[in-house]
Amino acid sequence: AQSVTQLGSHVSVSEGALVLLRCNYSSSVPPYLFWYVQYPNQGLQLLLKYTSAATLVKGINGFEAEFKKSETSFHLTKPSAHMSDAAEYFCAVSARGNTGKLIFGQGTTLQVKP
Amino acid sequence: GAGVSQSPSNKVTEKGKDVELRCDPISGHTALYWYRQSLGQGLEFLIYFQGNSAPDKSGLPSDRFSAERTGGSVSTLTIQRTQQEDSAVYLCASSLKGESSYEQYFGPGTRLTVT
Repeated sequence: AQSVTQLGSHVSVSEGALVLLRCNYSSSVPPYLFWYVQYPNQGLQLLLKYTSAATLVKGINGFEAEFKKSETSFHLTKPSAHMSDAAEYFCAVSARGNTGKLIFGQGTTLQVKP
Repeated sequence: GAGVSQSPSNKVTEKGKDVELRCDPISGHTALYWYRQSLGQGLEFLIYFQGNSAPDKSGLPSDRFSAERTGGSVSTLTIQRTQQEDSAVYLCASSLKGESSYEQYFGPGTRLTVT
């Protein structure tokens, strides 16, 4: 069975600092991996996805993530945090060749301090 | 173009009542998903529709939950005899195809409160 673990339910950074949100997955074969962002009272928006092309994936709003098979990780980073990045972030996994249903991590709330 | 829409945005109901939640997917999207977001369980998959195929109901938590998708478009999630543990935000998503490589577009959700 697939699963996703996000380390840290809350992360706080200062504006301009590096953002690092951690995600580890469990899967018998390398799955597709996703990062979604959710702003208050809104649905989820896709930030980026890994589908086995490049291991370093660039997404919207300056975010990127690196797939590391040896570490079963897909951590999300952004070099410089903006106030507008404050939101909840979800890592998700989907099995290849499957229906596309997503298995989500528990989410990480990012707080950005001025 | 129009995104995924859901109605109502908020629903308050009494324990034991039935509720219906509606999802309008993006036009042309053949795959439709329902997820539930709750404090205790996080984000969890409920049900998946792909075209005219039999739905994948593996995530429905009990037989009080059911869903249908009429004409391959609009979907309704029905919860019978609601319980307080059903309180959650119900999210709908659609994608061009029901495959992992296709992006899912999420609606804003319906917040259900069972009193």
